[in-house]
Amino acid sequence: AQTVTQSQPEMSVQEAETVTLSCTYDTSESDYYLFWYKQPPSRQMILVIRQEAYKQQNATENRFSVNFQKAAKSFSLKISDSQLGDAAMYFCAYRSNTRTQGGSEKLVFGKGTKLTVNP
Amino acid sequence: GAGVSQSPSNKVTEKGKDVELRCDPISGHTALYWYRQRLGQGLEFLIYFQGNSAPDKSGLPSDRFSAERTGESVSTLTIQRTQQEDSAVYLCASSGPQEGPGNTIYFGEGSWLTVV
Repeated sequence: AQTVTQSQPEMSVQEAETVTLSCTYDTSESDYYLFWYKQPPSRQMILVIRQEAYKQQNATENRFSVNFQKAAKSFSLKISDSQLGDAAMYFCAYRSNTRTQGGSEKLVFGKGTKLTVNP
Repeated sequence: GAGVSQSPSNKVTEKGKDVELRCDPISGHTALYWYRQRLGQGLEFLIYFQGNSAPDKSGLPSDRFSAERTGESVSTLTIQRTQQEDSAVYLCASSGPQEGPGNTIYFGEGSWLTVV
């Protein structure tokens, strides 16, 4: 079974600075997807960024980018120019590519990192 | 509707009572998921429906938990004989078939269950 580990329960960053959230995962599969979700106090889970394991290029979405290291099974999230609205819980998640691997399409989540943005 | 809709948003129930939580997925989405999130914790997978296939029930914690889905529409999660450990936010999510396994999963705002 796949597992996702987020080793930083809490992180803080100054507004306009850069912060990196860590995520590692364990799998025997070669084809899968990785995600970062944001959960503000409203509880609404919002997709931040997605990475396909067969793509070597790191995904980017505006101020959000990832450092995907497939061999190391590492998938960190970098937030540049942090804004007060970035304050939230951030969850890293794994999902098999069932077209090639079979199995379940469920998302497997880490325990989350609480990000505080200081003005 | 425009997003995944869940009801009730908040529910307080007495220990031992049964509760039903409802999820309306995004129209056209064939996949539907239920997750549980205890206070300050990550998301625990409960159950997954995909079209007319047999659901993946591997995450249901006990036989007090069950879920049904009618076709590709509404789903109901039922918890029988609730216990205080069932207190959590229950999140529903759905996704469409257009992009395959990598497509975006959209979450509802959850149903906050408190068992007293």
